[in-house]
Amino acid sequence: GENVEQHPSTLSVQEGDSAVIKCTYSDSASNYFPWYKQELGKGPQLIIDIRSNVGEKKDQRIAVTLNKTAKHFSLHITETQPEDSAVYFCAASKAGGSYIPTFGRGTSLIVHP
Amino acid sequence: GAVVSQHPSRVICKSGTSVKIECRSLDFQATTMFWYRQFPKKSLMLMATSNEGSKATYEQGVEKDKFLINHASLTLSTLTVTSAHPEDSSFYICSARHNQATGYTFGSGTRLTVV
Repeated sequence: GENVEQHPSTLSVQEGDSAVIKCTYSDSASNYFPWYKQELGKGPQLIIDIRSNVGEKKDQRIAVTLNKTAKHFSLHITETQPEDSAVYFCAASKAGGSYIPTFGRGTSLIVHP
Repeated sequence: GAVVSQHPSRVICKSGTSVKIECRSLDFQATTMFWYRQFPKKSLMLMATSNEGSKATYEQGVEKDKFLINHASLTLSTLTVTSAHPEDSSFYICSARHNQATGYTFGSGTRLTVV
């Protein structure tokens, strides 16, 4: 089955800095990669996603890149703000699996004011 | 669109009692819903797939008699933790997917504490 590795487990940055979270996946058939943000005591919220036919996608301060050959994808957050502090999960999925996500272990992002 | 509502957000129960958690898709129909369990500072662990009108499919190691799932309508799935014990204390989250979307929407989670 699919295996998703996520690094780092904890990321501490100063407000205004950039943050990068990296993930790798094992199943070459995976073709949809969502990123979720989970705030304390809440369920995960989809913040951005990317499909395998696209190499990069951007939405304001967040962007995701995908290297299908290397089977890795990354989340980039620029100009970080304290409200970006949360746990971020990457996931990989495929149409044949009803797009059920296989999650990474999560990255706790802490943005210091 | 694609809102998933989960209730209650927090529940405290005594050992030996049962607790029911509801998951509703508010603006779409979901023939399939998923239940996850999350331990502190850990990722989401898929427990079971809830199928409307049929039996749920449980992941390996999840006791189906302990975690009863009912998906009686296209907008409601329930998870009942039976004869709860302190080790069942955890954060439970449901999710569903709109058939015109690719990503899954998650409920807000239920913090279960068994005392």
